[in-house]
Amino acid sequence: QSALTQPASVSGSPGQSITISCTGTSSDVGNYKYVSWYQQHPGKVPKLMIYDVSNRPSGVSNRFSGSKSGNTASLTISGLQAEDEADYYCTSYTTISTLVFGGGTKLTVL
Amino acid sequence: QVQLQESGPGLVKPSQTLSLTCTVSGGSISSGGYYWSWVRQHPGKGLEWIGYIYYSGSTYYNPSLKSRVTISVDTSKNQFSLNLSSVTAADTAMYYCARVVGSSSWQLDYWGQGTLVTVSS
Repeated sequence: QSALTQPASVSGSPGQSITISCTGTSSDVGNYKYVSWYQQHPGKVPKLMIYDVSNRPSGVSNRFSGSKSGNTASLTISGLQAEDEADYYCTSYTTISTLVFGGGTKLTVL
Repeated sequence: QVQLQESGPGLVKPSQTLSLTCTVSGGSISSGGYYWSWVRQHPGKGLEWIGYIYYSGSTYYNPSLKSRVTISVDTSKNQFSLNLSSVTAADTAMYYCARVVGSSSWQLDYWGQGTLVTVSS
């Protein structure tokens, strides 16, 4: 299985919105609603931010939202804040009952 | 509140087997509905899913690691373990254990703090 494709980096200014894409295939992202997103600050443990494409766990800011179209899922962060600067990873369930991660995207808040 | 804690040697020699254990507290591995997973992260790199196990013993592995990976579960100790054989320097990474909400979501909702394993002679 190949890693899902994410942009290596994205950036935005405080208050702006950014979107991170996560492209897979019909064997993973395109076939299931089971896409989740994780935030990882340097030296920290990954934190679940979005699950089932667009659901937020309790305690996650509503500035974080997710969507999917075809083989591509997206994470949007609105009202960008300095604390959002981190690495973001998507993951998807696959047709062979495994999980696959994206390569990760480094978000820089300018 | 579910908590996971990895344990095991921080240094493994090349060609040997890397063995780690994840102890789960605040919930039972046998409660069902969850898979128990290992994820690793090479220094400065992204996350890589290694595999997961159900309390019944059913396992699923990353195809790229399948020939070297064994994940097992000990429900009596509320633990699950990772064995990675024939390690090389390329297996040097932070290893995380995590809980996966299975069947209906497949999200990794709880993670351990991670343990750094270095492969070196």
